[in-house]
Amino acid sequence: GAVVSQHPSWVICKSGTSVKIECRSLDFQATTMFWYRQFPKQSLMLMATSNEGSKATYEQGVEKDKFLINHASLTLSTLTVTSAHPEDSSFYICSARAPQGIHQPQHFGDGTRLSIL
Amino acid sequence: AQSVAQPEDQVNVAEGNPLTVKCTYSVSGNPYLFWYVQYPNRGLQFLLKYITGDNLVKGSYGFEAEFNKSQTSFHLKKPSALVSDSALYFCAVRGGIRNAGNMLTFGGGTRLMVKP
Repeated sequence: GAVVSQHPSWVICKSGTSVKIECRSLDFQATTMFWYRQFPKQSLMLMATSNEGSKATYEQGVEKDKFLINHASLTLSTLTVTSAHPEDSSFYICSARAPQGIHQPQHFGDGTRLSIL
Repeated sequence: AQSVAQPEDQVNVAEGNPLTVKCTYSVSGNPYLFWYVQYPNRGLQFLLKYITGDNLVKGSYGFEAEFNKSQTSFHLKKPSALVSDSALYFCAVRGGIRNAGNMLTFGGGTRLMVKP
């Protein structure tokens, strides 16, 4: 149980393109999902907390207009990288926490590797 | 603010030998501690957690971790390493204060290399 699916797994596109990444909780409802960014050989950096039915909470330094987050249902959150540029190339990972309690671990998607040419 | 330190970028172990991946933390209130493993081009897989209770926590794939409050540590251990254990390991902490919310803070990661 507690499977999180992330799609697509790999994206290569031209500079200026907007890219949407989907994060789905397959067998549980997630009122809260998280979006992380990971640079090569580095740890995960929390970008934002996605809340179902309300605005996302962004971490300091993360541009809200650049990284649009929508959490329209209890099983789906999307991250849209708008007008992507080469510096946005990174590994993006989403996670969701099972609803049984705040002490439950987060369950992670397999990540999306974004390469902007 | 909460923080996690993994002092070793890489740990090398021979197959069959015991392994330890170190983690220390700083947090206000009671800590909730987690270990995750990441394989190449994949997300993180949950290994184990400490919330309360016994200081020795057993998790997936034969891993265990020992919570030491006085040393603010949560080292990951396994009695006998396998080549397939080679991966990137992350320690994470969530603070116990209500306002800490759901946010996990991750350590920098430790690459475990198990050689045959």
